[in-house]
Amino acid sequence: LAKTTQPISMDSYEGQEVNITCSHNNIATNDYITWYQQFPSQGPRFIIQGYKTKVTNEVASLFIPADRKSSTLSLPRVSLSDTAVYYCLVGDGGNTPLVFGKGTRLSVIA
Amino acid sequence: KAGVTQTPRYLIKTRGQQVTLSCSPISGHRSVSWYQQTPGQGLQFLFEYFSETQRNKGNFPGRFSGRQFSNSRSEMNVSTLELGDSALYLCASSLSGRPPEQYFGPGTRLTVT
Repeated sequence: LAKTTQPISMDSYEGQEVNITCSHNNIATNDYITWYQQFPSQGPRFIIQGYKTKVTNEVASLFIPADRKSSTLSLPRVSLSDTAVYYCLVGDGGNTPLVFGKGTRLSVIA
Repeated sequence: KAGVTQTPRYLIKTRGQQVTLSCSPISGHRSVSWYQQTPGQGLQFLFEYFSETQRNKGNFPGRFSGRQFSNSRSEMNVSTLELGDSALYLCASSLSGRPPEQYFGPGTRLTVT
């Protein structure tokens, strides 16, 4: 079961780009890397998922190096509403369940 | 497309009682997972159902059980409630569970007194 390590917290000013890095040294061949965002008292919201290289959607970008032992979630021009906890998960969703770590608490300051 | 719905949204129970929570997945999704979230333990996986079969199970006592119906709707049951069962219970659905692109419901806030 792949474990992930991410910073406990990060602060950023509005309008800046935020990069949150996640380490997953024991990632397996079939594992995907998935990021979720969670606001207080709400369910996590799917942000982005990737297997290798770079993935971009309307919300974020996900950078995955060739060895896949880490990944970086990039949030462009954050706003106050991006203040949330961000979770990085690795897994294939098959016979082993996804494990949520403590996540990274992002605080965006005006 | 409607999102994942969970009922009830809030629940207050007394220690020793039992409770049943319901989850309706996104239409077409066949995998439903349940999670417990508390301030101390964070998000913990309870179990996953796929096509009415339990595919994965977390490290919770047997008081926690679940099932999935043929329409993919799922229920979770907790018997003999304890104070420590007070938590936000989240349900997540995905097409097949693989790759693990899950969509979460708003959760059921259970308070045990």
